[in-house]
Amino acid sequence: NAGVTQTPKFQVLKTGQSMTLQCAQDMNHNSMYWYRQDPGMGLRLIYYSASEGTTDKGEVPNGYNVSRLNKREFSLRLESAAPSQTSVYFCASSLSGIANNEQFFGPGTRLTVL
Amino acid sequence: KNEVEQSPQNLTAQEGEFITINCSYSVGISALHWLQQHPGGGIVSLFMLSSGKKKHGRLIATINIQEKHSSLHITASHPRDSAVYICAVTKGAQKLVFGQGTRLTINP
Repeated sequence: NAGVTQTPKFQVLKTGQSMTLQCAQDMNHNSMYWYRQDPGMGLRLIYYSASEGTTDKGEVPNGYNVSRLNKREFSLRLESAAPSQTSVYFCASSLSGIANNEQFFGPGTRLTVL
Repeated sequence: KNEVEQSPQNLTAQEGEFITINCSYSVGISALHWLQQHPGGGIVSLFMLSSGKKKHGRLIATINIQEKHSSLHITASHPRDSAVYICAVTKGAQKLVFGQGTRLTINP
């Protein structure tokens, strides 16, 4: 099993450009998450999908959109990138929620917005 | 004040020492997670616990729900334990609130 995979690993964008971060898991998990990690801030939840067909906002959703394409895939889109979105982005999944299940993380995407 | 506070923020120790990392939280929770972030950036789940104590190899995690406090212990520490250790608590069924992490360095 590959676990949770993310593409790309690195990306540099100019302000105003758009891009989509891809995430896929092969563990048949119901729940998927997008986080961003910034120095001194810890991990913060951007959006999550409790199950296929549903998405909900997390702590910092502004400037992002998500799509739960199917049970395996959960993408994060930046429509008009801003320097404040420079961060490391992690996708994660869990069997069903996080109250009783561990989370599995992807390797991360390091995004720089100039 | 952050909902999840970890201490210390940085810890340097010699190989073989017993390590303790603390996590205090201010909200009611159903579970607490301990994560390890490797120097290369990858994040791995170490423990999920809602009461008592769990052990995996040289790692031990404890939680006291009444005191809203958890500890992560590493026995016989080794340089390969050098990493950032992150505490996170549940906020509802789908959300985790993360601490800022403890950077641990074990010198040979």
